[in-house]
Amino acid sequence: AQSVTQLGSHVSVSEGALVLLRCNYSSSVPPYLFWYVQYPNQGLQLLLKYTTGATLVKGINGFEAEFKKSETSFHLTKPSAHMSDAAEYFCAVSESGAGSYQLTFGKGTKLSVIP
Amino acid sequence: SAVISQKPSRDICQRGTSLTIQCQVDSQVTMMFWYRQQPGQSLTLIATANQGSEATYESGFVIDKFPISRPNLTFSTLTVSNMSPEDSSIYLCSVAPPRGRRETQYFGPGTRLLVL
Repeated sequence: AQSVTQLGSHVSVSEGALVLLRCNYSSSVPPYLFWYVQYPNQGLQLLLKYTTGATLVKGINGFEAEFKKSETSFHLTKPSAHMSDAAEYFCAVSESGAGSYQLTFGKGTKLSVIP
Repeated sequence: SAVISQKPSRDICQRGTSLTIQCQVDSQVTMMFWYRQQPGQSLTLIATANQGSEATYESGFVIDKFPISRPNLTFSTLTVSNMSPEDSSIYLCSVAPPRGRRETQYFGPGTRLLVL
């Protein structure tokens, strides 16, 4: 079974400050890891993903995340927050090789950006 | 990535009625998924709908309450039957891409349902 824990349901940062959203996962097999963003009244948009290979992955809008197997983490970062980054962010995991491609989501972190 | 549309985008329904939500994809896909996002909550998988086979439901979801159709490779419907206020949620469909890395899912814009 797989699970995802996102630390902090709400995170506030100042415009221009570092964004750090935390995600820890549990998986019995090598995981596939994802970050999705949900803007108000919209669906989910894929930010970035880790499947295999390089553990530091870059996504859209300047976001990146690092897969750390020893820490079972996949934290999302952005060096400088922009007002347009205000949204809810979901970390998700699926199990490689399972064939079902089912995603398990964390509870989400709502990011507020203060001018 | 696939372009996914959903209809309706939102609706307000009376308890005891049913609503059918449509999901249309601009390319042929084998794997489609339906999720529920209750207010302030994360996404929960309702079922996997693969063309040519019966939908597979997750624990806590049953076909009588959430019947799904998958008539072809670009279309699916989810019906929320005999609705109660507890069914007020956002319902999203997603697809795994027809080619390339199938572990990645792309989501539609969602259907926002309020049951009175």
